[in-house]
Amino acid sequence: AQKVTQAQTEISVVEKEDVTLDCVYETRDTTYYLFWYKQPPSGELVFLIRRNSFDEQNEISGRYSWNFQKSTSSFNFTITASQVVDSAVYFCALSEALIGQNFVFGPGTRLSVLP
Amino acid sequence: EPEVTQTPSHQVTQMGQEVILRCVPISNHLYFYWYRQILGQKVEFLVSFYNNEISEKSEIFDDQFSVERPDGSNFTLKIRSTKLEDSAMYFCASRPGGSSYGYTFGSGTRLTVV
Repeated sequence: AQKVTQAQTEISVVEKEDVTLDCVYETRDTTYYLFWYKQPPSGELVFLIRRNSFDEQNEISGRYSWNFQKSTSSFNFTITASQVVDSAVYFCALSEALIGQNFVFGPGTRLSVLP
Repeated sequence: EPEVTQTPSHQVTQMGQEVILRCVPISNHLYFYWYRQILGQKVEFLVSFYNNEISEKSEIFDDQFSVERPDGSNFTLKIRSTKLEDSAMYFCASRPGGSSYGYTFGSGTRLTVV
């Protein structure tokens, strides 16, 4: 069965600190996709990144970077030099390629960046 | 950039009433989804829809719920006889065929049952 775990319920950092949000997933499928979404207080889901299971290259986009490690079933997300606008709930999600492609979301990590 | 549009953004309804949440998926997309997020909790899959029929549904999606694509552009979620515990944010999503590339969520409808 699919499962996504985000062990950190809440994290608080001071502006300009780096922060890493953890995501561990479980799946029986060999082909799957991993995602990160940001949910600001306004409630919408903002797409951040999509990764397929065959691409273990780490990715950097501005202050954001992602570390995908199949060996530990982890897909961690790092924000460098955090800003107050980064305050939000962050969800990691898994989509198995062969089963309808509906998403399984993790419980989310609430990040508070303090000025 | 194409968007999935959901209306209304916020709906308040009385317990026991029927409510219809509306979504306009991206026009060339083939697969449609509804998700639910109870306040402070994770986003949960409700149902997927393809080729004018339900392709998969979760245990949350019981007889109280139904989905429809009435006119080729709208995709609706109907909740019959709403309960207090149906209060949640409901997200519509759509994607083209093939992989989950292009999977797009709408901005959600916040349903409050009083």
